[in-house]
Amino acid sequence: AQSVAQPEDQVNVAEGNPLTVKCTYSVSGNPYLFWYVQYPNRGLQFLLKYITGDNLVKGSYGFEAEFNKSQTSFHLKKPSALVSDSALYFCAVRYTNAGKSTFGDGTTLTVKP
Amino acid sequence: NAGVTQTPKFRILKIGQSMTLQCTQDMNHNYMYWYRQDPGMGLKLIYYSVGAGITDKGEVPNGYNVSRSTTEDFPLRLELAAPSQTSVYFCASSRESNQPQHFGDGTRLSIL
Repeated sequence: AQSVAQPEDQVNVAEGNPLTVKCTYSVSGNPYLFWYVQYPNRGLQFLLKYITGDNLVKGSYGFEAEFNKSQTSFHLKKPSALVSDSALYFCAVRYTNAGKSTFGDGTTLTVKP
Repeated sequence: NAGVTQTPKFRILKIGQSMTLQCTQDMNHNYMYWYRQDPGMGLKLIYYSVGAGITDKGEVPNGYNVSRSTTEDFPLRLELAAPSQTSVYFCASSRESNQPQHFGDGTRLSIL
């Protein structure tokens, strides 16, 4: 079975500070990992993915994520937060040979000026 | 490109009514998905399809039906609407299951 957890419902950071949104997953084979962002009244938008290769993945809008197999984590990071980064962030996992992904419950990121 | 288009954007139904939520994509994607998103919760998969003519149940399929007669369209049917089906419904598609999903902007459904 595949599962993913986002342990923080809410993350608050000041503009210009680094941000981290956490994601952990359960192990059952080789995972494909994704981050999506959702703005109010919109669908989810893809940010970045890890399939294989380098553990540090760079994505859209200056976001990056680090795949850590030993800790089964895939935390989303950005060196310097912007107020416009405020949104709902979802981590998702799919294992090989699975036809579908499992999404976390989401983390609301608020960046204050 | 339009991407994934969902109609209607909003709808209010009475208990026991039926309706179809429409979803179409113009990216020639094989995989399509229906999710519901309840307040404060993540996405729950209702049904998905790996190609025309093939559908499979997700986590919460009860009360819903789907069909996939073409690559482009993946309608979701509610036969007997219940208050528990009040939610925001998202359709998504991907080229393959290990590729990112493209989402529509959702249908906000209230059942009273």
